[in-house]
Amino acid sequence: SAVISQKPSRDICQRGTSLTIQCQVDSQVTMMFWYRQQPGQSLTLIATANQGSEATYESGFVIDKFPISRPNLTFSTLTVSNLSPEDSSIYLCSVEEGAEQFFGPGTRLTVL
Amino acid sequence: GQQLNQSPQSMFIQEGEDVSMNCTSSSIFNTWLWYKQDPGEGPVLLIALYKAGELTSNGRLTAQFGITRKDSFLNISASIPSDVGIYFCAPRDQGAQKLVFGQGTRLTINP
Repeated sequence: SAVISQKPSRDICQRGTSLTIQCQVDSQVTMMFWYRQQPGQSLTLIATANQGSEATYESGFVIDKFPISRPNLTFSTLTVSNLSPEDSSIYLCSVEEGAEQFFGPGTRLTVL
Repeated sequence: GQQLNQSPQSMFIQEGEDVSMNCTSSSIFNTWLWYKQDPGEGPVLLIALYKAGELTSNGRLTAQFGITRKDSFLNISASIPSDVGIYFCAPRDQGAQKLVFGQGTRLTINP
């Protein structure tokens, strides 16, 4: 299975600022996904990021708040903009291989 | 939208006991994945099920894809301390081809 790394692993940010999370995969993948996991909750899909096209956002998530880049088949970034305490969550990158899907270790964001 | 119900929400068991959890839905799925998440980590894929009625084992773990394609269960036999964590079912939506995550089952083991 693909090996996925994320940076940073955790961060503490002030409200009103932004955080950009990087996701690196050790192999080329077509489909990459970004998820949010709020404290004590399950995973919620933010958007699907395909190389060479705009990300596709799920209901309740907008590009202005969660801009995504996908410059090549092994890398993606998610920015969480204009941070508020409600954005405190774990953000997870995921890739699809065949019918299976694998996750990175996550980025734990705390907004003060 | 889809209704996906995972139960139980939490389990407190003794080491050595067997564990059973399940997910049910009103929708039909064409793939069921089961994940385990340890604290501070991303979910790790345990078992993937592709066909209705399929029964698959991975060590002490056994999972089945329900014959109606609307449900799945995961069993863990002879639990050990490292089984502690949160288990998620994640079927793939037939139309949109996206994973839908259950609410999770938090497993706690008393030694």
